[in-house]
Amino acid sequence: GNSVTQMEGPVTLSEEAFLTINCTYTATGYPSLFWYVQYPGEGLQLLLKATKADDKGSNKGFEATYRKETTSFHLEKGSVQVSDSAVYFCALGGGSQGNLIFGKGTKLSVKP
Amino acid sequence: GAVVSQHPSRVICKSGTSVKIECRSLDFQATTMFWYRQFPKKSLMLMATSNEGSKATYEQGVEKDKFLINHASLTLSTLTVTSAHPEDSSFYICSARSGTSGINTGELFFGEGSRLTVL
Repeated sequence: GNSVTQMEGPVTLSEEAFLTINCTYTATGYPSLFWYVQYPGEGLQLLLKATKADDKGSNKGFEATYRKETTSFHLEKGSVQVSDSAVYFCALGGGSQGNLIFGKGTKLSVKP
Repeated sequence: GAVVSQHPSRVICKSGTSVKIECRSLDFQATTMFWYRQFPKKSLMLMATSNEGSKATYEQGVEKDKFLINHASLTLSTLTVTSAHPEDSSFYICSARSGTSGINTGELFFGEGSRLTVL
């Protein structure tokens, strides 16, 4: 079945460092891919998405490119801020009920 | 964007009691809502799919008699944890798809989550 594998955390970076969070998926067909972010004490918010191969989703300085050949959707940001500290979830669409299938989440802590 | 509101955000109850969590879509109609459970250091696990006007569809391993789901209107779904026990303590999150998002993108909008602690 469809699944998402996300790099284990936690990830601790200094402010202005480069961020990469790896995400790979297994799926039939061509599902949409998402990154959601969960700030402390809050619900999940959509960060960015891509609906087809080679699409690049971007938002708030974060980017991820839908790579069909490597079945990946890695999240990147060139210069992280303390306010980026959160848990990041990679997800793919196309669950049996129309739901999303999530990775385990990666906790990011950015130190000043 | 579409807003999903969940209530209560935190609830503490005694073992053996029942707790109801509400999920509302505030500015759109949601024929389908999803209930997830989030375990520490683990992914969000889909518990059930809530369909307006019909019975919920439960994922394998989820007790439908313990986790009662009702989707009485296009803007409200409720999850009732019956005869709660400490192992039911968790973070429960609802989500819904706005009709404007369409099936192709599959984007879901999430509630704030409800932290249940069973003593």
